[in-house]
Amino acid sequence: QVKLQESGPGLVRPSETLSLTCTVSGGSVSSDIHYWGWIRQPPGKGLEWIGNIYSRGTTNYNTSLKSRVTISIDTSRNQFSLRVTSVTAADTALYYCARLLNLGSGWTLDYWGQGTLVTVSS
Amino acid sequence: SYVLTQPPSLSVAPGKTASITCGGNNIGSKSVHWYQQRPGQAPVLVVYYDNDRPSGIPERFSGSNSGNTATLTISTVEAGDEADYYCQVWDSSSDDVVFGGGTRLTVL
Repeated sequence: QVKLQESGPGLVRPSETLSLTCTVSGGSVSSDIHYWGWIRQPPGKGLEWIGNIYSRGTTNYNTSLKSRVTISIDTSRNQFSLRVTSVTAADTALYYCARLLNLGSGWTLDYWGQGTLVTVSS
Repeated sequence: SYVLTQPPSLSVAPGKTASITCGGNNIGSKSVHWYQQRPGQAPVLVVYYDNDRPSGIPERFSGSNSGNTATLTISTVEAGDEADYYCQVWDSSSDDVVFGGGTRLTVL
């Protein structure tokens, strides 16, 4: 059974950088057929895709966040990470990591972490 | 960018059938995936590639997709089905993952 677990600070100051890590167990981030991604959900609102990464480092980001987001991968630790720079209160959200699967006609998110709440406040 | 439209809410009596729609331009040409998010929990994939179910998801959950509308159908609704449901596609033109706004299903 694949499990994903997010970790990182729950409170970030405005204008600083949000950093989260997702640790994968029961599966490998070096997989040839999976991507690994981040999604967020502001309190009381819907899901917003942030971006994905492949084991070889290929990334894809939501256009609206692209200038502030970096996703990286560490295959030796079976982890991938998210950085969001210059955060504001609008970045306050539950942040989820997930595994993406493509069976030939588009990506689906088949396993999700439990999520971690990040609050941006001084 | 590609937009998916869902009704904000739907109420259904126990034992009845719930049909949750997801509208998008020519969505029938894309693969649609559906997620269930119970209160305080992470989303769970319940239908993928229009009408496949992951292991462990009851047969009561099914999907269809044609034209400009995809539909998640939950038959014989139970109290435990009360949740938010999100549709999702991959937009190949932008290489973006796109979510609908979500539908809150209330079991009366």
